Amino acid sequence: EVQLVESGGGLVQPGGSLRLSCEASGFIISNYWMTWVRQAPGKGLEWVATINKNGIDKNYVDSVKGRFTISRDSATNSLYLQMNSLRAEDTAMYYCASQFSSPIHYWGQGKMVTVSS
Amino acid sequence: DIQMTQSPSAMSASVGDRVTITCRASQGFGNNIAWFQQKPGKVPQRLIYVVSSLQGGVPSRFSGSGSGTEFTLTISSLQPEDFATYYCLQHNSFPLTFGQGTRLEIK
Repeated sequence: EVQLVESGGGLVQPGGSLRLSCEASGFIISNYWMTWVRQAPGKGLEWVATINKNGIDKNYVDSVKGRFTISRDSATNSLYLQMNSLRAEDTAMYYCASQFSSPIHYWGQGKMVTVSS
Repeated sequence: DIQMTQSPSAMSASVGDRVTITCRASQGFGNNIAWFQQKPGKVPQRLIYVVSSLQGGVPSRFSGSGSGTEFTLTISSLQPEDFATYYCLQHNSFPLTFGQGTRLEIK
């Protein structure tokens, strides 16, 4: 069965750090572009970051550039999002998702990140 | 950056109605657009990819079309389970951009 299972969310103070993980089973993430998408409470979907198949090319939404880092580990078949200097406006449900153009496509169940003092 | 303007932002319709949701792009691009359905408290589900390809397992009443700067999602005959929020996504160039969403409610 194909799954994307996320972990690592929670409550953090402004300025703090968190790392989200997304472990894949049933498919190899290094064969696909992988993406993080977030959704603030009651709001729409927002693209956050994408890493391409080679694991070298990475792209970010302007609001997280210099603070967030997307990465992956082929050994654990996992995708990561390191989030530093967190702000209240980063509060959201964070989803990992596989390549949007591929016939096969999956989302994780989401992890809530709350930035508050 | 490509901005995606989705319309309408909300609408009400009845079971059996034909519904069309539109996304207009600020500049033309190829076929890298997808449509998602999201129900409250649930993970978004892809319905359509590369303009008009139907995701496996999605009912054939859903269809996508368009080119250039205008893309549409059509539901040919609304069913009770279709009342949800719908989003378009352009993944042709970075930054990827979603439409603002269309909340589809029961009339």
